[in-house]
Amino acid sequence: GAVVSQHPSWVICKSGTSVKIECRSLDFQATTMFWYRQFPKQSLMLMATSNEGSKATYEQGVEKDKFLINHASLTLSTLTVTSAHPEDSSFYICSASGNYGYTFGSGTRLTVV
Amino acid sequence: GNSVTQMEGPVTLSEEAFLTINCTYTATGYPSLFWYVQYPGEGLQLLLKATKADDKGSNKGFEATYRKETTSFHLEKGSVQVSDSAVYFCALSDAGGTSYGKLTFGQGTILTVHP
Repeated sequence: GAVVSQHPSWVICKSGTSVKIECRSLDFQATTMFWYRQFPKQSLMLMATSNEGSKATYEQGVEKDKFLINHASLTLSTLTVTSAHPEDSSFYICSASGNYGYTFGSGTRLTVV
Repeated sequence: GNSVTQMEGPVTLSEEAFLTINCTYTATGYPSLFWYVQYPGEGLQLLLKATKADDKGSNKGFEATYRKETTSFHLEKGSVQVSDSAVYFCALSDAGGTSYGKLTFGQGTILTVHP
């Protein structure tokens, strides 16, 4: 079946630094990648949608200069949290859509200290 | 816009009890409907889906029927196990059939099953 590999699974960083999260579709081409943020015991909030080779479309209220999304190939998309602050601490999940429907990564727990 | 409303949790059951988690939706057009399950510290796994009215999705003993007249997609299981303990999300896609648009999620329902 379709697999999306998301790395790292957890990361701790200092305030002001940047963190990159990668999502790779291992056995299919991900034409569209969705990036979500999930707060503890809450639902998933869509942050942005990206199509391979195009600029990402951000949801209202999401700072595009802070959450940089790159979808340079059909198998790789990255989310970079720039100048991270404690309020950016959260669980980030990617989801790829392709021929198999939606496939979710296992998530990245980001803690900013 | 689209929205999904799930029953409030958490839900606590004894093993072999009957499970129902209610889900209703608001959408334009003909969305596809999904149930996802999330185990602690993990991403989401598709549990089942239905792409058109009156379709029944089923998997691992779980079932849900796409009811257009009541705009509902309630999740049911006849006999839950401890291993079913997880968070369950109802979701809809704003593209029907085999297209895959944005997913809108409900707030999630925490299920705990005791032995």
